[in-house]
Amino acid sequence: ETGVTQTPRHLVMGMTNKKSLKCEQHLGHNAMYWYKQSAKKPLELMFVYNFKEQTENNSVPSRFSPECPNSSHLFLHLHTLQPEDSALYLCASSQRLGGGDQPQHFGDGTRLSIL
Amino acid sequence: DQQVKQNSPSLSVQEGRISILNCDYTNSMFDYFLWYKKYPAEGPTFLISISSIKDKNEDGRFTVFLNKSAKHLSLHIVPSQPGDSAVYFCAAKIGGATNKLIFGTGTLLAVQP
Repeated sequence: ETGVTQTPRHLVMGMTNKKSLKCEQHLGHNAMYWYKQSAKKPLELMFVYNFKEQTENNSVPSRFSPECPNSSHLFLHLHTLQPEDSALYLCASSQRLGGGDQPQHFGDGTRLSIL
Repeated sequence: DQQVKQNSPSLSVQEGRISILNCDYTNSMFDYFLWYKKYPAEGPTFLISISSIKDKNEDGRFTVFLNKSAKHLSLHIVPSQPGDSAVYFCAAKIGGATNKLIFGTGTLLAVQP
């Protein structure tokens, strides 16, 4: 399924660099999410957006800055990252919030490595 | 403290037999439970879900059972096929106007031909 597209698929950056991850969904959904998956750990929710408005920040450090210009696009701006931020970053979307019968659809993720 | 636990990191099953993947949870406020499947280098794909007010949901070869008193759910795949080989994640949704999912660490299922 290519309903949720993430770019780039792989990213290597130094701790002083600034980069951005991009997510685009073609499903007509109204809610979008950023998740982090570190090695041997479960997926952790980072941010939630509903109709472009941020509804949840799961105590994420400020070196991660999300942006949602419209319901179809979601960005994660990265700056001054730490080695422990190396992980798989997954974007997801769903039709709406609050509906367990409205599952989240995931992109294939960006594998981020911090040197 | 993990609210959703998948205690078996891996499971190996013969083709044609039943695969049973287990998941335990601690939070009574979860109102939906979901199973996702993940192939290498791909994102998780939604498989099946169950509301906390039900005890069984079936979709083709996949059935999810929920035992609320034991705070336990399981995914049954029958018959298992080699293409089912993947990592299976259990996830739970907190009730209310949110879609926040809490994921388990996953179980790697290998279906042997």
